[in-house]
Amino acid sequence: EAQVTQNPRYLITVTGKKLTVTCSQNMNHEYMSWYRQDPGLGLRQIYYSMNVEVTDKGDVPEGYKVSRKEKRNFPLILESPSPNQTSLYFCASSFISAHTEAFFGQGTRLTVV
Amino acid sequence: DQQVKQNSPSLSVQEGRISILNCDYTNSMFDYFLWYKKYPAEGPTFLISISSIKDKNEDGRFTVFLNKSAKHLSLHIVPSQPGDSAVYFCAASGQGSQGNLIFGKGTKLSVKP
Repeated sequence: EAQVTQNPRYLITVTGKKLTVTCSQNMNHEYMSWYRQDPGLGLRQIYYSMNVEVTDKGDVPEGYKVSRKEKRNFPLILESPSPNQTSLYFCASSFISAHTEAFFGQGTRLTVV
Repeated sequence: DQQVKQNSPSLSVQEGRISILNCDYTNSMFDYFLWYKKYPAEGPTFLISISSIKDKNEDGRFTVFLNKSAKHLSLHIVPSQPGDSAVYFCAASGQGSQGNLIFGKGTKLSVKP
């Protein structure tokens, strides 16, 4: 089954404790991206990757890191999480770019206390 | 400043009638527009897209209209069904930045039986 898998689905952590949210896709897609969803703000892009070893900032990259060492995986790293990073995070992938149909993961609800 | 605006946070329509969801954008460099639908506790799913070389695109009950001079697009759902009740996000991307995707804040559609 074609899918984008994020882990964990739920996470509560403390300020400053490094964490990684994993994202994996099985569709051999070139493009992957991370978004956060906050009430009243819709979806905002954090980082995206056009291909292996190619990453770029979205609209809200501050406080986040990503890597794309292999095509199927695109982890989101919060090196020193803060409470303002409490949010619902979505990973997505698509065949070529943001112009093509994206498949989203189920989401990761992160709470930083 | 918001580059993609969905000015109606919510919309309620009767089953069988037409739903019209609107989206305005400010960046004239946008040339691809996509609509995504989101149910609670799920990731967004792709609905329909349109490029700036077209002014209309249809897929079954869903039609997207693009008015480039007004920087306005709309999604028509005919006939509306209760299962269409969800949050609808408009998104835009530019030719010069195929990885960047800007979302609106979303419109919550309720279709009443």
